[in-house]
Amino acid sequence: DAGITQSPRHKVTETGTPVTLRCHQTENHRYMYWYRQDPGHGLRLIHYSYGVKDTDKGEVSDGYSVSRSKTEDFLLTLESATSSQTSVYFCAISEKAGYTEAFFGQGTRLTVV
Amino acid sequence: KNQVEQSPQSLIILEGKNCTLQCNYTVSPFSNLRWYKQDTGRGPVSLTIMTFSENTKSNGRYTATLDADTKQSSLHITASQLSDSASYICVVSPASGGSYIPTFGRGTSLIVHP
Repeated sequence: DAGITQSPRHKVTETGTPVTLRCHQTENHRYMYWYRQDPGHGLRLIHYSYGVKDTDKGEVSDGYSVSRSKTEDFLLTLESATSSQTSVYFCAISEKAGYTEAFFGQGTRLTVV
Repeated sequence: KNQVEQSPQSLIILEGKNCTLQCNYTVSPFSNLRWYKQDTGRGPVSLTIMTFSENTKSNGRYTATLDADTKQSSLHITASQLSDSASYICVVSPASGGSYIPTFGRGTSLIVHP
């Protein structure tokens, strides 16, 4: 299995609080991605990174920010959590552009109450 | 807008039977098409990957086919097992666009009954 660790695996938080999810990889892959998965929608890209300090928005980026200060870590922050951000969040990594090889983490289940 | 449509949305079969899942896409030109298996509560795991020049790829009991002319792919599962119960996701990556961000289908939920 590819070395991807997401933390925490489960979290319950209150509306309006900030939340940070962490993705850590040991594969030294250049590209890292954050997705959310909701029933009826499949996986949707939130943000992605193509190198240290290089990030860009995906299709559902509103309300989320990311940071990548080291190759191995990609952080997803919900500045002020809302109930609509209740979801399962997945991190993925790939060595090259074109998504020729992409590996997913185990997911973080976030509940905003 | 790039789209990936999968059918059926859900499928129930008996153990030992074969089944075929469909994926239609509009991504063009595309770099590769991948099928993932996602067990409940787990992250997706890659089953097969095909470039535009390939028309079939096997991984054990899983065989993916690709028709780039009609923009269709299928995943055939032979002699299904209870462990095949999962969601199967089709993902298509574009060949251009700078970021090469793939488009995901919504998945087919497969349930295998004993």
